[in-house]
Amino acid sequence: KQEVTQIPAALSVPEGENLVLNCSFTDSAIYNLQWFRQDPGKGLTSLLLIQSSQREQTSGRLNASLDKSSGRSTLYIAASQPGDSATYLCAVIGDSNYQLIWGAGTKLIIKP
Amino acid sequence: SQTIHQWPATLVQPVGSPLSLECTVEGTSNPNLYWYRQAAGRGLQLLFYSVGIGQISSEVPQNLSASRPQDRQFILSSKKLLLSDSGFYLCAWSADLAGRDGYTFGSGTRLTVV
Repeated sequence: KQEVTQIPAALSVPEGENLVLNCSFTDSAIYNLQWFRQDPGKGLTSLLLIQSSQREQTSGRLNASLDKSSGRSTLYIAASQPGDSATYLCAVIGDSNYQLIWGAGTKLIIKP
Repeated sequence: SQTIHQWPATLVQPVGSPLSLECTVEGTSNPNLYWYRQAAGRGLQLLFYSVGIGQISSEVPQNLSASRPQDRQFILSSKKLLLSDSGFYLCAWSADLAGRDGYTFGSGTRLTVV
């Protein structure tokens, strides 16, 4: 059974720092992995989608990497800003049942 | 471009009352549609998904039901709400069941059953 873990559960850093959020999954047989951001009381905003054949995806200050064999993905945020404060969720899609399996999220606070 | 709309944004309902939440998608045809619930402090739970009009699959037994009367419309309903139905409900769509192009979520409905 696929399990997704996100570490750390919460992170508070000063503005301007580069930071890394981690996502690990137990079954490497995934179809793709998607990173989302959720602001308090809001829906989910898709940040990056990585297909299983890809190693990384970039969007602006965000870079997501995928190491399928070791069951890991990282979301790198460069030059963090207070507006980056949110909960970041990763989800994997298994290549057999096509279900989204979610991590519990990392709550990120960027202090001005 | 594709957009997904979900309403209402917030809802307070008494126990035993009916529920109807609506989700519509624009800019695509034959989307796969999903209803998720996010309970406070917990992860997202898939409630229902639909691959076409009138086709509903339920992931967990519960007090809720879903319907898809039109290609781009997905409705979440209950005849009698329970306190445990409180939560944040999210609608989502994908172009295919494998989510090759990822999933897009609506803005959510905060339901409080009192």
